[in-house]
Amino acid sequence: AQKVTQAQTEISVVEKEDVTLDCVYETRDTTYYLFWYKQPPSGELVFLIRRNSFDEQNEISGRYSWNFQKSTSSFNFTITASQVVDSAVYFCALSEWATGFQKLVFGTGTRLLVSP
Amino acid sequence: EPEVTQTPSHQVTQMGQEVILRCVPISNHLYFYWYRQILGQKVEFLVSFYNNEISEKSEIFDDQFSVERPDGSNFTLKIRSTKLEDSAMYFCASKKGTGVSSYEQYFGPGTRLTVT
Repeated sequence: AQKVTQAQTEISVVEKEDVTLDCVYETRDTTYYLFWYKQPPSGELVFLIRRNSFDEQNEISGRYSWNFQKSTSSFNFTITASQVVDSAVYFCALSEWATGFQKLVFGTGTRLLVSP
Repeated sequence: EPEVTQTPSHQVTQMGQEVILRCVPISNHLYFYWYRQILGQKVEFLVSFYNNEISEKSEIFDDQFSVERPDGSNFTLKIRSTKLEDSAMYFCASKKGTGVSSYEQYFGPGTRLTVT
């Protein structure tokens, strides 16, 4: 069964702090994709990153970085030097080969509050 | 940059009424989806649609729900007889295809459905 767990429901930081959002997933598939989406207060879902199960290289994009570790079934997201505009709910999601990658299974989200 | 659009942004309806939520996916995308998010909860998969037919649906997507691609651009979700528990944000998403860089789904801004 596929499942995504985001144990942190809400994190509050002060601007310029680094913050890591945790994501743990469960799947029986060996081929799958992991995603992070951002949901700002305006409500839309914004795609941030996709990772496939065969690529464990960490990725950095500006202030964002992602750490994928198959050994611990985790796909964590770090924001360096956080800014107020980073305040949003962040969702981790999983898509499996067994479903033809036809659906995303989301975690419950982590609300990040960045205060000035 | 092409984007998924949804109308209306907010729909208020009375219990038992039929509603149709509309989406225009990104024009060269082949796969279409509906998700819903009850306020404060996670995003849940409803249905996927490809080649003019449903490819997968969740247990939420019962006989009260239907989807249609009536022309080359629109993708609709119909709820036949709305219930109070159908109140949620409904997101449409589209995906380009199954090529290597085509696994991410792009989401529309959502339609907030309020059933009174």
